[in-house]
Amino acid sequence: DQQVKQNSPSLSVQEGRISILNCDYTNSMFDYFLWYKKYPAEGPTFLISISSIKDKNEDGRFTVFLNKSAKHLSLHIVPSQPGDSAVYFCAASDGGSGGSNYKLTFGKGTLLTVNP
Amino acid sequence: KAGVTQTPRYLIKTRGQQVTLSCSPISGHRSVSWYQQTPGQGLQFLFEYFSETQRNKGNFPGRFSGRQFSNSRSEMNVSTLELGDSALYLCASSSTRQGSGYTFGSGTRLTVV
Repeated sequence: DQQVKQNSPSLSVQEGRISILNCDYTNSMFDYFLWYKKYPAEGPTFLISISSIKDKNEDGRFTVFLNKSAKHLSLHIVPSQPGDSAVYFCAASDGGSGGSNYKLTFGKGTLLTVNP
Repeated sequence: KAGVTQTPRYLIKTRGQQVTLSCSPISGHRSVSWYQQTPGQGLQFLFEYFSETQRNKGNFPGRFSGRQFSNSRSEMNVSTLELGDSALYLCASSSTRQGSGYTFGSGTRLTVV
């Protein structure tokens, strides 16, 4: 049973436009959501996170939106750059005691290609 | 500031053998987690250690085990290797600050033949 789903295996956008990566989850106990970026032959790199008590978090070109009622979150990248081309993973945590980094459940990833 | 270091980067083993992978976390990080990445299953949580204690465990058989030392370095061991254990094994370390995210190492690519 996949608790975190990224239904689009790939996405292609033009440089300068917006990239929107989507993620759905089923476990209502998740209290933190994170996005990671992964280049080939490297480990995932943390991008941005959001607590379940918020609906938006912004960091530079990256914004994460959370819709708890729909159990849906999205990552917006504006403007998209060729260097953003990578696999993006959505992850969720049910926190445990006092932390958001325990036992992350990952989606299977979306390959973003930003064309010059 | 040094990142998360995993050794070795690549490993080829034969079915039935055992393997030990090593991870050195970022200095000051006390939480170390291990993940298995395969093309079909994505990233799956193996276990997490904090202060030498296993705090969380994923749904993997008992052939997968780990430990953490007093300096926070961690090892994971897989015994009686199977072909399906071929994967990228990622180690991640974390501070305890909420929302800080993991820092992953580059992984160990294990191939079982």
